[in-house]
Amino acid sequence: DSGVTQTPKHLITATGQRVTLRCSPRSGDLSVYWYQQSLDQGLQFLIQYYNGEERAKGNILERFSAQQFPDLHSELNLSSLELGDSALYFCASSVGRGWTDTQYFGPGTRLTVL
Amino acid sequence: QKEVEQDPGPLSVPEGAIVSLNCTYSNSAFQYFMWYRQYSRKGPELLMYTYSSGNKEDGRFTAQVDKSSKYISLFIRDSQPSDSATYLCASRSGNTPLVFGKGTRLSVIA
Repeated sequence: DSGVTQTPKHLITATGQRVTLRCSPRSGDLSVYWYQQSLDQGLQFLIQYYNGEERAKGNILERFSAQQFPDLHSELNLSSLELGDSALYFCASSVGRGWTDTQYFGPGTRLTVL
Repeated sequence: QKEVEQDPGPLSVPEGAIVSLNCTYSNSAFQYFMWYRQYSRKGPELLMYTYSSGNKEDGRFTAQVDKSSKYISLFIRDSQPSDSATYLCASRSGNTPLVFGKGTRLSVIA
């Protein structure tokens, strides 16, 4: 158990809908990272927050947004969902702001868009 | 072309075999190389971490980086059924986001 929690574990929704994925980092970790994992693209970095502020952005679509709250939990919002958004979404956390810190991954949320 | 390429397998070996998992990368600026292990229905966990070229050993696992050929390897000695998982290589340069390979699925048969 990495200490990172993600809810829900599974999410099934329809095209055009909006969903929110939630992540609680390990105790003491200030950075939260979001990743998308699909069979054709593999694991791809979406966005990083450090202590409430956006720190780095990867291949995140404009339909997707995230935030980190004062209690350090984070939410990833996915809107106008398309079939191609079906994937595993992982959250990871680390102590510091840099990429030199070890990232601990949560168990993921499996999103299915029908 | 993806920056980090990895044969997806699957790779099936008998228990006790030596396993070789490989990745190639295209970005010459990559300096940090990692191997993650991902069990079914779990998130990836960091297995090995190396900087620049060379070997690093940790128990039954050896990570090897050859920057001249842009080749990353992970060797597993005396493989066990509990090693059955997907192995992801990842690289980065400086303080930049990790770039992952797609992962190789390994099955170790008892």
